Amino acid sequence: DTGVSQNPRHKITKRGQNVTFRCDPISEHNRLYWYRQTLGQGPEFLTYFQNEAQLEKSRLLSDRFSAERPKGSFSTLEIQRTEQGDSAMYLCASSFSVWSPEAFFGQGTRLTVV
Amino acid sequence: DAKTTQPNSMESNEEEPVHLPCNHSTISGTDYIHWYRQLPSQGPEYVIHGLTSNVNNRMASLAIAEDRKSSTLILHRATLRDAAVYYCTPDDKIIFGKGTRLHILP
Repeated sequence: DTGVSQNPRHKITKRGQNVTFRCDPISEHNRLYWYRQTLGQGPEFLTYFQNEAQLEKSRLLSDRFSAERPKGSFSTLEIQRTEQGDSAMYLCASSFSVWSPEAFFGQGTRLTVV
Repeated sequence: DAKTTQPNSMESNEEEPVHLPCNHSTISGTDYIHWYRQLPSQGPEYVIHGLTSNVNNRMASLAIAEDRKSSTLILHRATLRDAAVYYCTPDDKIIFGKGTRLHILP
């Protein structure tokens, strides 16, 4: 297992299109987190999962953002009707559990909306 | 969510110890205190975590106040590679604040 994997690494899309990013956590990690990071800012928490259960949705940036983790393994983050302001790095992280909270981050997906 | 307060930036000389403070006065009784750092152009990297007792690992030490309302990350001998933004996050959602940008002077 080589760590948290995110695909694609880069995505360029036209405004108004939908995009989906995938995150494969470290095997047996129960927790999975999504963040957005813009230049010069810290990672902004979006949502997280415990297995397949999404524990918080309220920080997703708008109703255009949604995330799933259908079988408690990989997760997807979808942005519908993209806007130029959605351009950012989207980071995924995973951890084993709340009692073993060390989280490992993926390399991120850089989204550019033109 | 617990709120954190960290200095915006700090500076240290190479090979000197560095103490990075964090106030988290609204922390709940059962949440771990985590520290992460982000090197330039990289994703965040776990540094250390603790609950009540002071903790040591190969990267750093974490000193936790008795009332758990503050903690200090200690880098015992800073190197140029430790220049990064350091974040403390006192909840299990791992929510990042603004962090402290640490500059290391050669």
